[in-house]
Amino acid sequence: AQSVTQLDSQVPVFEEAPVELRCNYSSSVSVYLFWYVQYPNQGLQLLLKYLSGSTLVKGINGFEAEFNKSQTSFHLRKPSVHISDTAEYFCAVSDRRSGGYQKVTFGTGTKLQVIP
Amino acid sequence: GAVVSQHPSWVICKSGTSVKIECRSLDFQATTMFWYRQFPKQSLMLMATSNEGSKATYEQGVEKDKFLINHASLTLSTLTVTSAHPEDSSFYICSGAGGSGQPQHFGDGTRLSIL
Repeated sequence: AQSVTQLDSQVPVFEEAPVELRCNYSSSVSVYLFWYVQYPNQGLQLLLKYLSGSTLVKGINGFEAEFNKSQTSFHLRKPSVHISDTAEYFCAVSDRRSGGYQKVTFGTGTKLQVIP
Repeated sequence: GAVVSQHPSWVICKSGTSVKIECRSLDFQATTMFWYRQFPKQSLMLMATSNEGSKATYEQGVEKDKFLINHASLTLSTLTVTSAHPEDSSFYICSGAGGSGQPQHFGDGTRLSIL
């Protein structure tokens, strides 16, 4: 079984300031990690993913995340946020099954509010 | 990038009717499709997983006779909410995945309101 914890339900931040959205996971097996963004009344859009290789992953819209295996974390960062980044962000984890699909577990989400 | 189209985006209907939601992968073959339900201010809750040509696998607590899932092809899955009641009102989201290690690509969701 696996689980994802997003410690902050809401994060307010001023425009052009940096932001970090925290995510911790637990799993008994190796995992894939994802960050998704959801705008109001829309589905989820993939920001970035960690499958293997470099632990620093760069995604769309200037976001990046770092996989830390020892701390079981996958925090999302952006050096300078824009108003358009206001949305809800979901961290997700799936186990590395061979073949077939992978069952994804989502965190409860962090609402990022960018203040002008 | 991979695109998943979900239709309709919004539906309002009377209690007792059945509602069908379509989920199509437009530019990739979705080996597996997933159906989620999202309550206000909560995360996505997986309802069921379907592989093309196979019966869907439902999560615990999800009534398979109420939420009928058909995955007839590698690009289309449907969710039918049968005899819908007000408590079925929710935001339903589908996603498709192209294979192992591939992320899920999500549709824009369907907001279902049962009066």
